Amino acid sequence: GENVEQHPSTLSVQEGDSAVIKCTYSDSASNYFPWYKQELGKRPQLIIDIRSNVGEKKDQRIAVTLNKTAKHFSLHITETQPEDSAVYFCAASKDTDKLIFGTGTRLQVFP
Amino acid sequence: KAGVTQTPRYLIKTRGQQVTLSCSPISGHRSVSWYQQTPGQGLQFLFEYFSETQRNKGNFPGRFSGRQFSNSRSEMNVSTLELGDSALYLCASTPGGQNTGELFFGEGSRLTVL
Repeated sequence: GENVEQHPSTLSVQEGDSAVIKCTYSDSASNYFPWYKQELGKRPQLIIDIRSNVGEKKDQRIAVTLNKTAKHFSLHITETQPEDSAVYFCAASKDTDKLIFGTGTRLQVFP
Repeated sequence: KAGVTQTPRYLIKTRGQQVTLSCSPISGHRSVSWYQQTPGQGLQFLFEYFSETQRNKGNFPGRFSGRQFSNSRSEMNVSTLELGDSALYLCASTPGGQNTGELFFGEGSRLTVL
């Protein structure tokens, strides 16, 4: 069945460093790849997304890259700040609102 | 504009009981989907409703069911509760159509099964 693998499960970085989270999807028909951030005790919120006709998308300190051939996509956060500390989820879908999520990455940014 | 509202926020049940959770989407949103969140499994898709019809379904047993009303509000029901059903149940809404982008999540209903 459809599957999304996400690595690493935990990531600790020093403030100002970069953080990279990687995901691999199984269904080659997937065409939409969002990333959600969930702070402790709060609801998941979309931070960036990319569609399969685009290879890279950037929004300030956050960027996402997509490699359709290898079926993987990555989240890049530059100049990390303590408020970036949260759990990040990648997801994939194909023309529906049914998202298949990865298992999450807990990012800790130390001052 | 009010966000997605889920009730109840917390509930405790015992094995064998059943539970009904409610979700009110953002005004004007016609699609509602449900996800189960557990520490080990992340977010797992349960089902999605659009215009009172189930449009997609995840790989959960038949004990999990849902419905959507004409005002787009949705409910999910879990019968014959098991300990493993303890989780945060998240509801999300979108305007509708297919693959419209951002899911707007509610704060969830935290179910504990004893």
